[in-house]
Parts: sequence; C-alpha cells; structure tokens
Amino acid sequence: AQSVTQLGSHVSVSEGALVLLRCNYSSSVPPYLFWYVQYPNQGLQLLLKYTSAATLVKGINGFEAEFKKSETSFHLTKPSAHMSDAAEYFCAVNPSGRRALTFGSGTRLQVQP
Amino acid sequence: EAQVTQNPRYLITVTGKKLTVTCSQNMNHEYMSWYRQDPGLGLRQIYYSMNVEVTDKGDVPEGYKVSRKEKRNFPLILESPSPNQTSLYFCASGTGTNYGYTFGSGTRLTVV
Repeated sequence: AQSVTQLGSHVSVSEGALVLLRCNYSSSVPPYLFWYVQYPNQGLQLLLKYTSAATLVKGINGFEAEFKKSETSFHLTKPSAHMSDAAEYFCAVNPSGRRALTFGSGTRLQVQP
Repeated sequence: EAQVTQNPRYLITVTGKKLTVTCSQNMNHEYMSWYRQDPGLGLRQIYYSMNVEVTDKGDVPEGYKVSRKEKRNFPLILESPSPNQTSLYFCASGTGTNYGYTFGSGTRLTVV
C-alpha cells in the first residue's frame, strides 16, 4: 500500500534559520505529492503540490519542495524561518489512480526567537 | 467566499447517542471526504465520495456512515458513538485529489 513517512515529529529552529521538513514516500511510480500546513485550531491549508510538471515546486509563504525520484523524497524547505511558521506540517500522497490522499503523521515546527 | 463548512465545531456526547456532523461546500466540487486526526497518527480517511450517490470506504470506516444526496453536502453519521471515536474530524472537498483538497475548520468530538 502507498504510504508516506515524515521523519521527525518535532523540529525546532531559530528565527531566520533554514527550515527542512522531511518526507519520503513509497511508490513504484511517481505519485502526486502535497504539503499541507495546520495552524492551531484550524483546518489544513495547501502549501504546495507536485504533479510532475516540475521537480522544484514553489508554494505559499516562501516554502518550496523538491521532488527527488531517486530518493523517493519530497522534502519541504524555507530559507529563513519566521515566528509565524510555527505550525504542524503534513506531507500527503495521492497514488495515481486512487481517489484518496494518504497523510504522513505530521511534523510540528517550533520557531525559537 | 469559497469554503467548506462543518458543524458543529465542538461536540460532547455520550456513548450510544446517535449524532451527525454536517459538511457543506460551495465550490461545486465532485469529491468530498471525511478524515479523523489523532495525535501521532496524522489524518486517516474515513469515507469519501466521488459524486452524488457514490461513496466508498476509506482506511477507518468502522462505526461511521455517510450519504451524498446532494453535491454540496456530505454528512458524517455516528449511529452509536463510542469513546474510541473521540477525535478531531475534518471534511474536505476538491475537484480531484490530483489538485489537493480544501479542508473545513474541523469538528472536535468527545464521546464520554
């Protein structure tokens, strides 16, 4: 079955530091991949999505992710963290041909002043 | 404003008392889905619907029912809630999962 693994349930960075949130998927064919963000007491908001058009995907709020087929990875990065980036981030995969998103277990990002 | 609306936002109920969580979207989306979110488990799909009168089970459908009589509405029904259904529930809709979903604000359910 298709799955997605997020390494690190909690990540803490200093304000202004690089943000790197890791996501690996298991798939024999490149799937559709997504990153969502969840702020406290809110629903999930789509940050960015990979749909095979380009391997480097830019999203909202300065985030981007690179699809690496050889590593089956889709890590999320941001060059400089802001306090407002503190939230939980979810990687999700849609295996081609299925009509469902499978989510990772989430990574909670803390940004220290 | 394009949105997915869930009601109620918070609900405390007792074991065995039937309840319905409503979900409505105003974007004319074909696809709708229900997820539950539990600490350390991420989001798990309960049921989804590809269109009116077309529904299918997700990964954790036991104890839940859904219906899709109209395109905009996709209620989640717990016929006999149990404490292990205490969770945060999200409704989502989309034109297709290739494009991601739009999520509602969530319903926090506590079953005592």
